[in-house]
Amino acid sequence: KAGVTQTPRYLIKTRGQQVTLSCSPISGHRSVSWYQQTPGQGLQFLFEYFSETQRNKGNFPGRFSGRQFSNSRSEMNVSTLELGDSALYLCASSLLTGNEQFFGPGTRLTVL
Amino acid sequence: GENVEQHPSTLSVQEGDSAVIKCTYSDSASNYFPWYKQELGKRPQLIIDIRSNVGEKKDQRIAVTLNKTAKHFSLHITETQPEDSAVYFCAAPNTGNQFYFGTGTSLTVIP
Repeated sequence: KAGVTQTPRYLIKTRGQQVTLSCSPISGHRSVSWYQQTPGQGLQFLFEYFSETQRNKGNFPGRFSGRQFSNSRSEMNVSTLELGDSALYLCASSLLTGNEQFFGPGTRLTVL
Repeated sequence: GENVEQHPSTLSVQEGDSAVIKCTYSDSASNYFPWYKQELGKRPQLIIDIRSNVGEKKDQRIAVTLNKTAKHFSLHITETQPEDSAVYFCAAPNTGNQFYFGTGTSLTVIP
């Protein structure tokens, strides 16, 4: 089975722009979660989608949004980028609730 | 919501020695506790997990223990090798697949 994939792997944007990141889960996995990883804050939960519905949301501003498609692929969008949004964005897919999450390689976002 | 604390933040051991990393959690309803290893520049990968109905689980040189009463769980690595050097994260669930992660432990195994 192919693992979780994320595109693009690297992005450089300037303040005020917006960005869309994509995540393709393992085939058959309907749950996709997104995390922001920074050296200072570690791994922080953004949101989780399950069967095209947002099931959980972390403590991030409304500039961070996401969606999930019928094939379970998920996108997250960050609008009006700030310098502090520079981070590694990881998505993880899971077959069942409260079970092992498989992480993608991440998208490294740099905001200048 | 859940709160996960992880200690120590850095750990250096001699090759062959044991390493122990500890995490505490706050939500007594949490019932699944994974440990992830993240090598530099790579994605986190699950190395072992434990459910709340057992107190200990072992997989070769790696073990996890859980104390539900005290709300803490620990990762034990025996006979450490240089390839064990990485950052290790513990996690505990909130609802659904929302996980709270510890802040990570950077383990260095000195040859």
